[in-house]
Amino acid sequence: EAGVVQSPRYKIIEKKQPVAFWCNPISGHNTLYWYLQNLGQGPELLIRYENEEAVDDSQLPKDRFSAERLKGVDSTLKIQPAELGDSAVYLCASSLDLKYNEQFFGPGTRLTVL
Amino acid sequence: KQEVTQIPAALSVPEGENLVLNCSFTDSAIYNLQWFRQDPGKGLTSLLLIQSSQREQTSGRLNASLDKSSGRSTLYIAASQPGDSATYLCASYTGKLIFGQGTELSVKP
Repeated sequence: EAGVVQSPRYKIIEKKQPVAFWCNPISGHNTLYWYLQNLGQGPELLIRYENEEAVDDSQLPKDRFSAERLKGVDSTLKIQPAELGDSAVYLCASSLDLKYNEQFFGPGTRLTVL
Repeated sequence: KQEVTQIPAALSVPEGENLVLNCSFTDSAIYNLQWFRQDPGKGLTSLLLIQSSQREQTSGRLNASLDKSSGRSTLYIAASQPGDSATYLCASYTGKLIFGQGTELSVKP
């Protein structure tokens, strides 16, 4: 069974540039999550989707971050414009449903903003 | 607000030793608690998930326990191996997964 797929794995951009990350969850998983992980810290939730609906985006900095999950499968997280402090690893995870909630993570995208 | 703490932040042991990693949480009204492993530059691998009604879960050399009343969970690793070297993260779920900062484990040959 294929796991959570993310691309790109690494991205280096200059500040004020836009960037986008893509995630394909495990087949059949209705719930998708985007997390941000700073060095030496545990991941922090940015947004959670139940199918196409964003049900928890309270931690998403909406002035520069946006996300979408069209058709309830793949998801894209965008930053525009990027700031130096956005340098981090962006992780995508999925779970079968909200009740059981065992989350499976992708390899992450390491973003460096210069 | 749920806070999850892991102590120690780093641990170095000789190969073959049994060890315990600690995780504490402030809000005992959790649905479950999950232990993950993270290798450098990689994503998180789910190791064990303990539902709130359970006391422990086992997988191979790993055993995780949960004591909701005291707000604690432990991950026991038996007969440690160099391949166990990684960062171990615990996370409580109360409608949202809240992570600790992790324990970086190094198992020396």
